[in-house]
Amino acid sequence: DAGITQSPRYKITETGRQVTLMCHQTWSHSYMFWYRQDLGHGLRLIYYSAAADITDKGEVPDGYVVSRSKTENFPLTLESATRSQTSVYFCASRGLAGVDTQYFGPGTRLTVL
Amino acid sequence: AQSVTQLDSQVPVFEEAPVELRCNYSSSVSVYLFWYVQYPNQGLQLLLKYLSGSTLVKGINGFEAEFNKSQTSFHLRKPSVHISDTAEYFCAVSEAGGYQKVTFGTGTKLQVIP
Repeated sequence: DAGITQSPRYKITETGRQVTLMCHQTWSHSYMFWYRQDLGHGLRLIYYSAAADITDKGEVPDGYVVSRSKTENFPLTLESATRSQTSVYFCASRGLAGVDTQYFGPGTRLTVL
Repeated sequence: AQSVTQLDSQVPVFEEAPVELRCNYSSSVSVYLFWYVQYPNQGLQLLLKYLSGSTLVKGINGFEAEFNKSQTSFHLRKPSVHISDTAEYFCAVSEAGGYQKVTFGTGTKLQVIP
């Protein structure tokens, strides 16, 4: 399917477990982003990537790890999940041109028990 | 550093009435401004954006916004809302040029009442 997809859409895990959220885009966009959405905070940037093998921290990176070995994929890993990481996670991508729009995936709702 | 303030967390409005969702921003440099809409259980999609030029920007679904540099505002308006406009709306700002890190506001839930 064309566009940007996320998997799983829903995930329940336990404190201390490792969890990986997947993001895949078919546009060959250079930039990819991970945000978390929490009530009262809007969207906060966790990590972003400007190209394959280039990643950088956003506003709230602690407890998360990313990689980008291929342009189309940008997985987000919670190395040891905590309850405070219960959130809705959105992946987004945009092209290289200066004012390209960010396109968002449908989100992953993660619950950490 | 840039920031965005959406003063209203919820806005109830009757169907076919006009609506204004307020957004104020802070930045020490020139900015780009955006409004996104999020329908339940979906990701965000772009409604409209201001990059430069005319301060009145028209977007999809009959929405428009006006950039006011002196008041550092970018309020979103629609002259007549429909039930299908019920959603959460996010204002966002990025610095013009460079990487363009986007900062989002906390969102305004628009509830259209039949």
